[in-house]
Amino acid sequence: EVQLVESGGGLVQPERSLRLSCVASGFTFSSHSMSWVRQAPGKGLEWISAISASGGSTYYADSVKGRITISRDNSKNTLYLQVNSLRVGDTAIYYCAKDNRNSGYFDYWGQGTLVTVSS
Amino acid sequence: EIVLTQSPGTLSLSPGERATLSCRASQSVGNSDLAWYQQNPGRAPRLLMYGISTRATGTPDRFSGSGSGTDFTLTIGRLEPEDFAVYYCQYYGTPLPTFGGGTKVEVK
Repeated sequence: EVQLVESGGGLVQPERSLRLSCVASGFTFSSHSMSWVRQAPGKGLEWISAISASGGSTYYADSVKGRITISRDNSKNTLYLQVNSLRVGDTAIYYCAKDNRNSGYFDYWGQGTLVTVSS
Repeated sequence: EIVLTQSPGTLSLSPGERATLSCRASQSVGNSDLAWYQQNPGRAPRLLMYGISTRATGTPDRFSGSGSGTDFTLTIGRLEPEDFAVYYCQYYGTPLPTFGGGTKVEVK
């Protein structure tokens, strides 16, 4: 059974940094691209970043480019998202999502981790 | 970047009725790179359809996808109680994936 379990969220002050993790199981992690998608309270889905299966290629939405870094450790089956200079507008549930056959759509999602940015 | 516009924002229907959800792209979608997701309150999104019209594993056959170019439709043949949720379309081609704003299907 495919499982994606995010962690690392919480209440953070503006301008601080946070690293989110997503531990994967039930599939060959090193064979799949992965993404982070976030959802602000009461709002829609926003894709923010993706990483290739090997980790050699990374992609970012313009809205967060320069403040976030996606990475992965295939030996630990873990995906990461480093978010710097947090803003109130970064408050959201952050989901990790598995790319189906590296095609760009997401066949499995984690349960999400809530990041709240507030002073 | 391809922008996806979903309409209507909210669809009020009764169980057993047919639902038609629209997703319009700002540019032509190539390679059938369009997917649909369902999200119930407090839950993660779930893949329903990909490649415009291919049902994901576990998607009931009352769900169907259609369209081409810039106009796409998700149809729910007869609404079941568990179908009342928010639906998102997604473009997943190059350069970057994007989501539509969502359509909420609510009980009338």
